[in-house]
Amino acid sequence: AQSVTQPDIHITVSEGASLELRCNYSYGATPYLFWYVQSPGQGLQLLLKYFSGDTLVQGIKGFEAEFKRSQSSFNLRKPSVHWSDAAEYFCAVRDSSYKLIFGSGTRLLVRP
Amino acid sequence: ETGVTQSPTHLIKTRGQQVTLRCSSQSGHNTVSWYQQALGQGPQFIFQYYREEENGRGNFPPRFSGLQFPNYSSELNVNALELDDSALYLCASSSTGTGGPPGELFFGEGSRLTVL
Repeated sequence: AQSVTQPDIHITVSEGASLELRCNYSYGATPYLFWYVQSPGQGLQLLLKYFSGDTLVQGIKGFEAEFKRSQSSFNLRKPSVHWSDAAEYFCAVRDSSYKLIFGSGTRLLVRP
Repeated sequence: ETGVTQSPTHLIKTRGQQVTLRCSSQSGHNTVSWYQQALGQGPQFIFQYYREEENGRGNFPPRFSGLQFPNYSSELNVNALELDDSALYLCASSSTGTGGPPGELFFGEGSRLTVL
């Protein structure tokens, strides 16, 4: 069965530091992969997506992610974190039909 | 372009009651899906509607039901509410066509249901 694992429940970084959020997926075919961000009391906003092609994808707000098939990973990165990046981040995989399967999320805290 | 809107934003019900949540999809989108997000967890797929027909369902009991209307708006109905139904319910719309990767999902801000 398809699944997504986000091993870090919480991550704290200092403002201006680099960030990497981990995501591992289990899916038999070529996955469609997504990262979403959720601020408190808000819905989900798409940061970036991978369907095919270049394994390094760029997203909004300066985020990028790299698809590594050999490691079944799709880690999210940002070179310099801003205080406004504090939020919950969800990795998700979508099968060829419809539904998104989400990880349990990583809460990012940013130290001033 | 109007985004996905959901109503109500918050509501409180008691066990055994019924609730209806509403969703207006983004302009031009013909597919609506619903997700349940319990506190501290990732969203879980409930079901999806395409052209007024349910075309996919997650692991939720039949007391979770839905509708999609000709204008592609949608309702989620939950009967016989249980305490564990307390969650944020997210609606997402997308455009389903033929071929190519699945359309991007656009999420509303959710309806937060509390069951007492």
